[in-house]
Amino acid sequence: SQQGEEDPQALSIQEGENATMNCSYKTSINNLQWYRQNSGRGLVHLILIRSNEREKHSGRLRVTLDTSKKSSSLLITASRAADTASYFCATVFNTGNQFYFGTGTSLTVIP
Amino acid sequence: DAGVTQSPTHLIKTRGQQVTLRCSPKSGHDTVSWYQQALGQGPQFIFQYYEEEERQRGNFPDRFSGHQFPNYSSELNVNALLLGDSALYLCASSLIDSNYGYTFGSGTRLTVV
Repeated sequence: SQQGEEDPQALSIQEGENATMNCSYKTSINNLQWYRQNSGRGLVHLILIRSNEREKHSGRLRVTLDTSKKSSSLLITASRAADTASYFCATVFNTGNQFYFGTGTSLTVIP
Repeated sequence: DAGVTQSPTHLIKTRGQQVTLRCSPKSGHDTVSWYQQALGQGPQFIFQYYEEEERQRGNFPDRFSGHQFPNYSSELNVNALLLGDSALYLCASSLIDSNYGYTFGSGTRLTVV
């Protein structure tokens, strides 16, 4: 499968703690993106990291990409109850091509 | 500025029936992609439309077909519905060959009974 795979499948933390989730993939990519999905509704684009980038930040989000290990991680700092959602990585192999989504990490932030 | 609009939000159909789902892309976007998301799974790519043509297709049978109109809106049609077609169907819009993320709609929840 060309899909990314997220790890862990589920994560439960206390509010204020950091949450880290990982994504592994199998073939070379053009870019990798992270999305959030609340309660089985539409996905919200969080951040895109290109294959020639190693780290990107957006607010409380930090994404790293290690192309040699074919893996990425998403760090959410100082988590809030509102961060409770499923998080998906999507790999893109060529610009304009389809996205391959993993099975997601379900994050629960306990107030 | 409206994002991606999908209709209907929920739908219940009987096995063997046909269904049409609709999507209006975000203003300024010219490409529409459709995804199927089964419960507990990640979205699976069905196909992508650009300039009213199917540009790419995922591993879905011919029962799944689509259309894009001159105003960039799109329809997804599924014939001869199976129980396994029950899923959340997501529409995503973008600019062709853009290296930016998709904008997703809220989806249509299809239940086949």
